[in-house]
Amino acid sequence: AQSVTQLGSHVSVSEGALVLLRCNYSSSVPPYLFWYVQYPNQGLQLLLKYTSAATLVKGINGFEAEFKKSETSFHLTKPSAHMSDAAEYFCAVRTGGFKTIFGAGTRLFVKA
Amino acid sequence: DGGITQSPKYLFRKEGQNVTLSCEQNLNHDAMYWYRQDPGQGLRLIYYSQIVNDFQKGDIAEGYSVSREKKESFPLTVTSAQKNPTAFYLCASSTETSGRRNEQFFGPGTRLTVL
Repeated sequence: AQSVTQLGSHVSVSEGALVLLRCNYSSSVPPYLFWYVQYPNQGLQLLLKYTSAATLVKGINGFEAEFKKSETSFHLTKPSAHMSDAAEYFCAVRTGGFKTIFGAGTRLFVKA
Repeated sequence: DGGITQSPKYLFRKEGQNVTLSCEQNLNHDAMYWYRQDPGQGLRLIYYSQIVNDFQKGDIAEGYSVSREKKESFPLTVTSAQKNPTAFYLCASSTETSGRRNEQFFGPGTRLTVL
């Protein structure tokens, strides 16, 4: 069965610093992987997705993620954090059927 | 603009009452989903529907019911059998024409509080 683990329920960075949010997945078949962002009291919005094309995926708002099959990881990065990046981020995997499995989420705090 | 609408934004219910949450989409998506979100637990799937007049239980369907009479509408009823219904409820939809590579589009959510 597929699963998603997000390491760290909270991550705090200074404005301008590198953002790194970790995601590891478990899947018996090639996965499709997604990162979503959620601002308070709102729905989720897609940041980027991996669908077996390029392993380095670029998304909106300067975020990118790299699919590493050998490490079963799909970590999300952004070179320079902005105050507006403060939100909760969810990694998700879909391997078959209609179900998407979401991680527990990582809340990103950005300090001025 | 195409998108998903959920209403109401906030909902208060007394114990023992049923309540229905609305979800409408104009994206012409075939698949629709209901999730429950609790702090620190991510999203848990309640029900999903692949086509009109068909739906499947998700991981936490007990105490909930749905219908899918129209392609654009997927209402969720929280019944009095749901032991702890206070949560944030999210509706989503997706197109399946390209298989499982497609992302889900989410509504703004409904926050349900049981008094």
